[in-house]
Amino acid sequence: SQQGEEDPQALSIQEGENATMNCSYKTSINNLQWYRQNSGRGLVHLILIRSNEREKHSGRLRVTLDTSKKSSSLLITASRAADTASYFCATALDRDDKIIFGKGTRLHILP
Amino acid sequence: DAGITQSPRHKVTETGTPVTLRCHQTENHRYMYWYRQDPGHGLRLIHYSYGVKDTDKGEVSDGYSVSRSKTEDFLLTLESATSSQTSVYFCAARTSGSYEQYFGPGTRLTVT
Repeated sequence: SQQGEEDPQALSIQEGENATMNCSYKTSINNLQWYRQNSGRGLVHLILIRSNEREKHSGRLRVTLDTSKKSSSLLITASRAADTASYFCATALDRDDKIIFGKGTRLHILP
Repeated sequence: DAGITQSPRHKVTETGTPVTLRCHQTENHRYMYWYRQDPGHGLRLIHYSYGVKDTDKGEVSDGYSVSRSKTEDFLLTLESATSSQTSVYFCAARTSGSYEQYFGPGTRLTVT
């Protein structure tokens, strides 16, 4: 079974609102990343948070990591139509070169 | 796409035929990965490479083999394609010391 599981599977919000999506994982990690995928395209890296970090910001993105709960959240503030995409979390394990993805959250920003 | 290309971009093939997908990168990345993407499953790791001639299995490696004879090329082979291997295949690459992956545009494979 997959390491990461995003929640919710799909999310629709009004433009300007904040969007929050969550990721839970199963085993200890070295770091966790979030990626965006626009329809029909490859994935694009958004942000990485290491296992010893609790929060990280990049522009309108805020990522938190709770290693005790094995969970992470991605907050997108002041959403825009261009944020409509699928978002995936990906985990890298300690002493392992694999990077494992979850099933993703489909985000739709309503005008 | 950070210099990562995939070929072909689209392929239709018949059950039982061999298929090879190619991933080519121009940035001298050490690590390369093959994923498949299916509705309801997200991305699943098939195989990955940590250097020339160094490869290992991922989550869903059965029915697939890989080869990496040069840094820039990572080939994925379906020895005898089955309908369950109909999918979109993505290649990704990253450098040593960074976990950020760069993705190719994907190959849509249909096995009839």
